[in-house]
Amino acid sequence: GQQVMQIPQYQHVQEGEDFTTYCNSSTTLSNIQWYKQRPGGHPVFLIQLVKSGEVKKQKRLTFQFGEAKKNSSLHITATQTTDVGTYFCAGPGGATNKLIFGTGTLLAVQP
Amino acid sequence: KAGVTQTPRYLIKTRGQQVTLSCSPISGHRSVSWYQQTPGQGLQFLFEYFSETQRNKGNFPGRFSGRQFSNSRSEMNVSTLELGDSALYLCASSAGQGDQPQHFGDGTRLSIL
Repeated sequence: GQQVMQIPQYQHVQEGEDFTTYCNSSTTLSNIQWYKQRPGGHPVFLIQLVKSGEVKKQKRLTFQFGEAKKNSSLHITATQTTDVGTYFCAGPGGATNKLIFGTGTLLAVQP
Repeated sequence: KAGVTQTPRYLIKTRGQQVTLSCSPISGHRSVSWYQQTPGQGLQFLFEYFSETQRNKGNFPGRFSGRQFSNSRSEMNVSTLELGDSALYLCASSAGQGDQPQHFGDGTRLSIL
């Protein structure tokens, strides 16, 4: 079945450093979504990308959808302690387009 | 708008028992999806209901079942509980169908003793 993998699984950075997580799907995606889950919280929707090669920015966060629509990335510039959490990508898959979540990247930020 | 509401927040059960979890979606959302989250397996899709019909189902045994009511509220039932069912169960609703952005509830933390 379809798989969505993310790397790295875990990243520890110093506050102010940049951070990038990569998402790779085994199949082409109609769209890619990104979510953030704070420790002890629930996933919160961040953004959805639909077009091949699309790039969207939210303040210090930059999201990119690959040309082949099989991969995506999330880049955070100058991390802050408030960025701590697990970042998940998700995309529709299977015959009925159920949402499949990636394995997640846990970001730790040291002040 | 009120967010997605899940009850109860915490639950402790013993092996062999059954449990029912409840989810009230955001007003106007007709799609409700359920996920199981564990440290080792991440976010695993259980099933999605749309307009009272199960639209999608994940790879979980038949002990896991659900339903959706006419007001879009949904329940999930797990029978014959096993230790491995200990997890955070998350419900999410979306304005469109289940492949669209999901709005999650706080989850129900289920512990099996």
